[in-house]
Amino acid sequence: QKEVEQNSGPLSVPEGAIASLNCTYSDRVSQSFFWYRQYSGKSPELIMSIYSNGDKEDGRFTAQLNKASQYVSLLIRDSQPSDSATYLCAVNDEDTGNQFYFGTGTSLTVIP
Amino acid sequence: DAGVTQSPTHLIKTRGQQVTLRCSPISGHKSVSWYQQVLGQGPQFIFQYYEKEERGRGNFPDRFSARQFPNYSSELNVNALLLGDSALYLCASSLKVEDTQYFGPGTRLTVL
Repeated sequence: QKEVEQNSGPLSVPEGAIASLNCTYSDRVSQSFFWYRQYSGKSPELIMSIYSNGDKEDGRFTAQLNKASQYVSLLIRDSQPSDSATYLCAVNDEDTGNQFYFGTGTSLTVIP
Repeated sequence: DAGVTQSPTHLIKTRGQQVTLRCSPISGHKSVSWYQQVLGQGPQFIFQYYEKEERGRGNFPDRFSARQFPNYSSELNVNALLLGDSALYLCASSLKVEDTQYFGPGTRLTVL
């Protein structure tokens, strides 16, 4: 059984601070990793994907991947109240036909 | 461009009834996946279809079935509804099986 683990939070940061979200996964074969944001009552929306070890930056968001440690993280710089949401980590498992496995999500609150 | 669309938005059924949920993928996307998300959890994979063929099935009972049509739209059917089937049902589309998945707004199913 593939597992994706996230701290459920809640994580609270002041406006303008850096929010750090972490995710670990159990399957060393996984190749593709995704971060989604989900506002309460809404569907997940893609923030970014990462496939190679290292950092990938997109605006205020930076994803970091370490396949050896089976760890992927998301940093949100200059956090805004509008970033308050649940952040879902997803791992693509090619062994099971590219099924996406999601963590339970980390709830982030940015305090004005 | 239109995103993934789902219908209906909300649905209320009673135990034992049957339900059909519908999904239209992003134009050009040939793969559709279905997920169940209960409150406080991440999405759980139900099915994935590509080019009208089932490419993956999650750990759900046979009461759940799906199909994909020649225009790549898809239906999810759930028979003999149980109270535990109450959830947000999400459809996601991607260009190919292994590509990034984009979610529709979801169908909120309540079973009484």
